[in-house]
Amino acid sequence: DIVMTQTPLSLSVTPGQPASISCKSSQSLLHSDGKTYLYWYLQKPGQSPQLLIYEVSNRFSGVPDRFSGSGSGTDFTLKISRVEAEDVGVYYCMQSIQLITFGQGTRLEIK
Amino acid sequence: QVQLVESGGGVVQPGGSLRLSCAASGFTFSSYGMHWVRQAPGKGLEWVAFIRYDGSNKYYADSVKGRFTISRDNSKNTLYLQMNSLRAEDTAVYYCAKDPALGDWGQGTLVTVSS
Repeated sequence: DIVMTQTPLSLSVTPGQPASISCKSSQSLLHSDGKTYLYWYLQKPGQSPQLLIYEVSNRFSGVPDRFSGSGSGTDFTLKISRVEAEDVGVYYCMQSIQLITFGQGTRLEIK
Repeated sequence: QVQLVESGGGVVQPGGSLRLSCAASGFTFSSYGMHWVRQAPGKGLEWVAFIRYDGSNKYYADSVKGRFTISRDNSKNTLYLQMNSLRAEDTAVYYCAKDPALGDWGQGTLVTVSS
């Protein structure tokens, strides 16, 4: 099974400041089709998860451009250029190259 | 717009069974693979099962293999999860989610396994 490890598990950010979350996979997520099957989700308090980023760096429909994803192989990063109050929640990375596994989640709070 | 509505959750005793449903609308259901994902109280997300658009292939997490069965009825635009031999550790909110990329999720239905 592919293990997804996120760091940090929690972070507290002042509005307007940047934030970064790391996700490492135990195996490469690069498929022979050339795609890398790494995704990012946000679960806001009391809500269902919502897709933010697909295939490492593509923003899903309606996702603000302050969210960006990067990385390759086994190391990936989600960055928020300027955190807003509405960004509070738990962020998960996910792989789908071999079934599906999620990271443990990173809780973001506002200072 | 895409809408996914789960139902069928409730309280069940250990060893019991439950069938969850996910009613889909706003898209061509028969063209998309579908997932079940669960979240135990206060915990993270755990993928449960996936079924291809035509039902031809099904995949399960090891934790539910042999106990849970995913199925779909494309004529009714509905996804199902039959859960047998339920255990306390199956207690969770169960979400259905649409491919690709689990881009759309339902609101979830709570399953509580307790005596």
